[in-house]
Amino acid sequence: GAVVSQHPSRVICKSGTSVKIECRSLDFQATTMFWYRQFPKQSLMLMATSNEGSKATYEQGVEKDKFLINHASLTLSTLTVTSAHPEDSSFYICSALAGGEVEQFFGPGTRLTVL
Amino acid sequence: GQNIDQPTEMTATEGAIVQINCTYQTSGFNGLFWYQQHAGEAPTFLSYNVLDGLEEKGRFSSFLSRSKGYSYLLLKELQMKDSASYLCAVVSGDYKLSFGAGTTVTVRA
Repeated sequence: GAVVSQHPSRVICKSGTSVKIECRSLDFQATTMFWYRQFPKQSLMLMATSNEGSKATYEQGVEKDKFLINHASLTLSTLTVTSAHPEDSSFYICSALAGGEVEQFFGPGTRLTVL
Repeated sequence: GQNIDQPTEMTATEGAIVQINCTYQTSGFNGLFWYQQHAGEAPTFLSYNVLDGLEEKGRFSSFLSRSKGYSYLLLKELQMKDSASYLCAVVSGDYKLSFGAGTTVTVRA
């Protein structure tokens, strides 16, 4: 089946630093990858959609200069949280979509804690 | 925008049946997913409906009525391990997924 990995699974950083999260589709080519954020006891909120080789599309209220997304290849997208603050502490989940498909395959998530 | 509603919590006894309802209003429709999510983990796929009717898969079944903007997930023969959050998610016309807030199901012995 389709497998999506995320790295790291858990990260703790100091306020003001930047954190990079990688999302990889291991056995298929993902034309589109999505980044979600989930706060405790809330549902997943879409942050941005990224297509290989083009700029990401951000949802309303998500700062593109703070959450940098790069989708350099059909199997890798990265999310960089710049100048992280405690309120950015959350569970970040990526998903990948193969061309022509509807089902998104989710990565295992990254727990970010900003001190 | 998208508007997806599902109950916040449900409790049931081991071996029983629970039905989780989901109503939605979206711009464009390319199907509806149900996911199971345990705390601290990513969602796992349960079902996908794009046509009206009932899809049965083992202990889990999902129903869709597009004209009513309504779906339900039916969990039969509940087991303790079924205690989790269940997410209703709609695929809009641009193939983005919009999630409901999730229904926390607690299974009691």
